[in-house]
Amino acid sequence: GQNIDQPTEMTATEGAIVQINCTYQTSGFNGLFWYQQHAGEAPTFLSYNVLDGLEEKGRFSSFLSRSKGYSYLLLKELQMKDSASYLCAVRNQAGTALIFGKGTTLSVSS
Amino acid sequence: EAQVTQNPRYLITVTGKKLTVTCSQNMNHEYMSWYRQDPGLGLRQIYYSMNVEVTDKGDVPEGYKVSRKEKRNFPLILESPSPNQTSLYFCASSLVGGRETQYFGPGTRLLVL
Repeated sequence: GQNIDQPTEMTATEGAIVQINCTYQTSGFNGLFWYQQHAGEAPTFLSYNVLDGLEEKGRFSSFLSRSKGYSYLLLKELQMKDSASYLCAVRNQAGTALIFGKGTTLSVSS
Repeated sequence: EAQVTQNPRYLITVTGKKLTVTCSQNMNHEYMSWYRQDPGLGLRQIYYSMNVEVTDKGDVPEGYKVSRKEKRNFPLILESPSPNQTSLYFCASSLVGGRETQYFGPGTRLLVL
């Protein structure tokens, strides 16, 4: 079966660092994506990992361990505008689908 | 501007009245997909298309149809909508393979009474 797990909710304060974890069990793997989604809006792309290791992109970094079926998204220097839902998605082996986790709602307070 | 557009953005309809949600992309992407998003369930794929005239079912295809007659358009058809199809629908497109991410349309919020 296919299963992607993320925490449902997280809270943090402005300026802090937060790590959102994602574990996956899928029948195939062809890359892992992180998306940000503000309420009522479309998901927007944050990061992509296909090999083990860390990918850094400004305030956002994403890590992947394929042997452990594990990824995390690291957000630094949190801002109020980072309050959103963060979606972990695994692309299937054939490249025909993204399988999404249920998302982690992050609330950033001042 | 590179984008995926969907119409309508909001729709209230009644059970059994056929409707079509249009999706169009201007990025010459081969791949297009439809998702529905429901509270507590996340995004689930309805149908996808790898290219013109090539479509296939996703995880939740029941009650939906699609067509891909042109590369840029991928309409979602609900022949006889039911209340359990009340949802937020997203169309997405991408190039195929590699680091290519999917670009999402703005969403269509559908209420079936």
